Amino acid sequence: DGGITQSPKYLFRKEGQNVTLSCEQNLNHDAMYWYRQDPGQGLRLIYYSQIVNDFQKGDIAEGYSVSREKKESFPLTVTSAQKNPTAFYLCASQSLGLVTEAFFGQGTRLTVV
Amino acid sequence: AQKITQTQPGMFVQEKEAVTLDCTYDTSDPSYGLFWYKQPSSGEMIFLIYQGSYDQQNATEGRYSLNFQKARKSANLVISASQLGDSAMYFCAMRANFGNEKLTFGTGTRLTIIP
Repeated sequence: DGGITQSPKYLFRKEGQNVTLSCEQNLNHDAMYWYRQDPGQGLRLIYYSQIVNDFQKGDIAEGYSVSREKKESFPLTVTSAQKNPTAFYLCASQSLGLVTEAFFGQGTRLTVV
Repeated sequence: AQKITQTQPGMFVQEKEAVTLDCTYDTSDPSYGLFWYKQPSSGEMIFLIYQGSYDQQNATEGRYSLNFQKARKSANLVISASQLGDSAMYFCAMRANFGNEKLTFGTGTRLTIIP
């Protein structure tokens, strides 16, 4: 089955630690996105990538880093510089050009303990 | 820069009534797509409907229709005959079709269907 997979579903981080959230897709999509969602709020764009080895900052990139070494994979690292990382993180992918849908993973809920 | 505005943070609607969720957008791109997603309490994002900027007709998908008014830059979602299962967050989003293809979301509307 084609789709987009995020792991883990739940993640706990101690203060001062870096953690990496995984996002893998087998849809052959060029574009991939990371969003942060706080309770009752909308989706805010962290980073996005349209091609391997290239990515752009979104609206709230500070304290986060990404890589795009393979077309299928777009991992997000939440660094210790992110002061309030507790949130729900969603990964999405799309083809480029004329498209009719973006596909989402199931999300990762990150909690700082 | 792209911007999506959803001005209704919450709505309450009686079951079986129709409901309109507002969405306005701003972009300088000549070709773009508009999307609506539903997010139930489980957190998953469910794609509902798509409208292309050059589409002559409003998009429809079952009980969902998109009231696209290009000159007003609005893309309102209409849900006919609402059901209890329609209670969820609803997000409007847009993306330019070429160039900087950043997918931008609005802040969402929480819809509650009352029995």
